[in-house]
Amino acid sequence: SQKIEQNSEALNIQEGKTATLTCNYTNYSPAYLQWYRQDPGRGPVFLLLIRENEKEKRKERLKVTFDTTLKQSLFHITASQPADSATYLCALGGDYKLSFGAGTTVTVRA
Amino acid sequence: DADVTQTPRNRITKTGKRIMLECSQTKGHDRMYWYRQDPGLGLRLIYYSFDVKDINKGEISDGYSVSRQAQAKFSLSLESAIPNQTALYFCATSGNELTDTQYFGPGTRLTVL
Repeated sequence: SQKIEQNSEALNIQEGKTATLTCNYTNYSPAYLQWYRQDPGRGPVFLLLIRENEKEKRKERLKVTFDTTLKQSLFHITASQPADSATYLCALGGDYKLSFGAGTTVTVRA
Repeated sequence: DADVTQTPRNRITKTGKRIMLECSQTKGHDRMYWYRQDPGLGLRLIYYSFDVKDINKGEISDGYSVSRQAQAKFSLSLESAIPNQTALYFCATSGNELTDTQYFGPGTRLTVL
């Protein structure tokens, strides 16, 4: 069965540094991958989409890479700020459905 | 106003009770989804609907049923609630393109005693 793994440990970083989150998957060939942000007690909010034929996407301080050979996506938050503190979910897409990872919690210290 | 609303936001019920969670959306989307979220397990798909007449089971549909009353409304029912259905439940909608993002409601925290 398909498996999606994100960093098992929470990420605790200093303001201004880059946070790098990983999303690895097995037994799956997604057509695209999305990243969402979730704040405590709220629903996930979409951040970025990357398709299987794309290597990298950027949006402001966010960057996503997608390596279908390694079956891995990396999500980077550059120049991190305390407001970036949240849980980040990767989601693999196909057949108009998403399969979500468990998420990685990021805390940015001022 | 929020695009996707869920009611109730919190609910405590007892084992064996029937409970309905409701979801409404104003985005005009055909596709709607119900997920549950448990600590360490991420979001898991319960049911999804691609239009009013199309309803499909997700990966964990046992013990749940749904009703798509209109394009804008999608309800989730627990016919006889059990404690391991205690979780955070989310409704989501999306457009019709393959890669369209999903828009989530605020969630319903359900506790089954």
